[in-house]
Amino acid sequence: NAGVTQTPKFQVLKTGQSMTLQCAQDMNHNSMYWYRQDPGMGLRLIYYSASEGTTDKGEVPNGYNVSRLNKREFSLRLESAAPSQTSVYFCASRGGSSYEQYFGPGTRLTVT
Amino acid sequence: AQTVTQSQPEMSVQEAETVTLSCTYDTSESDYYLFWYKQPPSRQMILVIRQEAYKQQNATENRFSVNFQKAAKSFSLKISDSQLGDAAMYFCAYRSKAGGTSYGKLTFGQGTILTVHP
Repeated sequence: NAGVTQTPKFQVLKTGQSMTLQCAQDMNHNSMYWYRQDPGMGLRLIYYSASEGTTDKGEVPNGYNVSRLNKREFSLRLESAAPSQTSVYFCASRGGSSYEQYFGPGTRLTVT
Repeated sequence: AQTVTQSQPEMSVQEAETVTLSCTYDTSESDYYLFWYKQPPSRQMILVIRQEAYKQQNATENRFSVNFQKAAKSFSLKISDSQLGDAAMYFCAYRSKAGGTSYGKLTFGQGTILTVHP
């Protein structure tokens, strides 16, 4: 039981490049989330998926797209990376009526 | 929209002593969850303790306890008998119990870096 996994752990991109951050959970959770963490700002919600087949914008969705590929996987795509997207990205999942979100280990992304 | 504020960017404590981290929040809702998360240098987010707003009793988990003041919208974390392994960034977070667009999302404070001195 790996919980929530994220790939890659680190990534460096040049401005304008694209990439997809992958997230998978093996806890059969319905809800999945993408957050970004910036110094002095805590974690902010980018997108979330309440269930397979649905996605909704969070607090800071601009510049990102998501795909809920199936119940296990929820990917985050940067189509044209910008230096302002330099951050640590966390994926999380939550099951049913549970109060707890389980977080992945994070991806540190640097855009130069 | 809910907001969460942690006004202490950094705190320090001597090993074996007690430290309190502060958190205030703003909401118009009457029922919700509040959480404290710990983030050590490994970056992993670890749930420390949670409080349900309708429960008057303050939550306790071993050396960690909260002081929940609903009317004042205050939710502080007390760490007793501090250990070197408690050194981390601590985040306060709010979660609505309402359905719809809130759907389980967490609103985080800015974080407090806790240093533990031997």
